[in-house]
Amino acid sequence: QQQVKQSPQSLIVQKGGISIINCAYENTAFDYFPWYQQFPGKGPALLIAIRPDVSEKKEGRFTISFNKSAKQFSLHIMDSQPGDSATYFCAASNPGYALNFGKGTSLLVTP
Amino acid sequence: EAGVAQSPRYKIIEKRQSVAFWCNPISGHATLYWYQQILGQGPKLLIQFQNNGVVDDSQLPKDRFSAERLKGVDSTLKIQPAKLEDSAVYLCASSLDFLGQGPSWMEQYFGPGTRLTVT
Repeated sequence: QQQVKQSPQSLIVQKGGISIINCAYENTAFDYFPWYQQFPGKGPALLIAIRPDVSEKKEGRFTISFNKSAKQFSLHIMDSQPGDSATYFCAASNPGYALNFGKGTSLLVTP
Repeated sequence: EAGVAQSPRYKIIEKRQSVAFWCNPISGHATLYWYQQILGQGPKLLIQFQNNGVVDDSQLPKDRFSAERLKGVDSTLKIQPAKLEDSAVYLCASSLDFLGQGPSWMEQYFGPGTRLTVT
């Protein structure tokens, strides 16, 4: 079964807007939560990751918010740009073990 | 630093034929993963190696899929015989260590993948 549920499936945002993608997980043993960005024909690229000991992590325009009690985490892309148009995957794992991926969100940033 | 290398990039075969994929991880990375990504879905683990030993192959269809990492560096994944449902992108990823230390040992880096089409 899907261990990580991701929404929305697709998202359209205007340039300069905020893109928000949400994920939820069930396994409380998960201890590592990365986000990956994938362009067509390319492999997933690590964007940003968080451990449960912090509730938020920011790197440039990308922010992860983490809610351990709700077993949810989200990716916020501030000042979204057309170059951000890609598929985004959340994932969760026990550290060192395989990633359990969500189904992905296709983001389109319009000019 | 060179990334994860994979070949071939594309492969088209008929069902019941065999195919092999090759992966060379980032230099110094002890852990290697093979994932299968079906169109429109997230990657799913097939097998995980730590050096030349298997950590997890619970989701590998062992009746048709095999993988090896004999010298603890590069790896091959084989499918024999292929089925139509094996059409997917096969991704190789590597990470620095298994249950290691420091801030980045668990980060997984992916190669470009091999797109397999089974007709």
